[in-house]
Amino acid sequence: AQSVAQPEDQVNVAEGNPLTVKCTYSVSGNPYLFWYVQYPNRGLQFLLKYITGDNLVKGSYGFEAEFNKSQTSFHLKKPSALVSDSALYFCAVRDYNAGNMLTFGGGTRLMVKP
Amino acid sequence: GAGVSQTPSNKVTEKGKYVELRCDPISGHTALYWYRQSLGQGPEFLIYFQGTGAADDSGLPNDRFFAVRPEGSVSTLKIQRTERGDSAVYLCASSLGQPNSYNEQFFGPGTRLTVL
Repeated sequence: AQSVAQPEDQVNVAEGNPLTVKCTYSVSGNPYLFWYVQYPNRGLQFLLKYITGDNLVKGSYGFEAEFNKSQTSFHLKKPSALVSDSALYFCAVRDYNAGNMLTFGGGTRLMVKP
Repeated sequence: GAGVSQTPSNKVTEKGKYVELRCDPISGHTALYWYRQSLGQGPEFLIYFQGTGAADDSGLPNDRFFAVRPEGSVSTLKIQRTERGDSAVYLCASSLGQPNSYNEQFFGPGTRLTVL
């Protein structure tokens, strides 16, 4: 079975500072990893994905994520946070050998303060 | 272009009633997914369609839940004899899908179902 853990319910950061939202995963095969963002009363928006290749993946709105196979992690990062980045962030994994469904973590609320 | 749309946006029903939730995927997307998101949790997979057929329905919680996609486009999630525990936001997603595809899924805004 595949699973995702997001150990922090909430992350607080000051505007302009770097941010990290943590994610670890467990799959039996090769992982496909995704980050989504959810704004209030809106659907999930795709940010970025890791399939293969370069461990550092760049995505929308200046976000990036680093795949670490040995630590089974896929942390989301941004060099300089904006107040408008405040939202709910979800990490998701798909096991290449286990069908097309995504398994999501519980989400991390990011609060960026001016 | 238009994204994934879901109707209704909100549905309030009484325990024991039947409800239908509709999803219109992005044009050309052959894969369609239903997820359920309870308050404070991440989405949980319900069912996946590739074309008209349900390729994986392992996430459906019980036989009160059923979904169809008769023409390979619009899908309807059907819930019989609703229970209060069915209250959640039901999310639909679509993707350019082939089996074992790594294409990202695009989500609709969801239908908030409340069972009184």
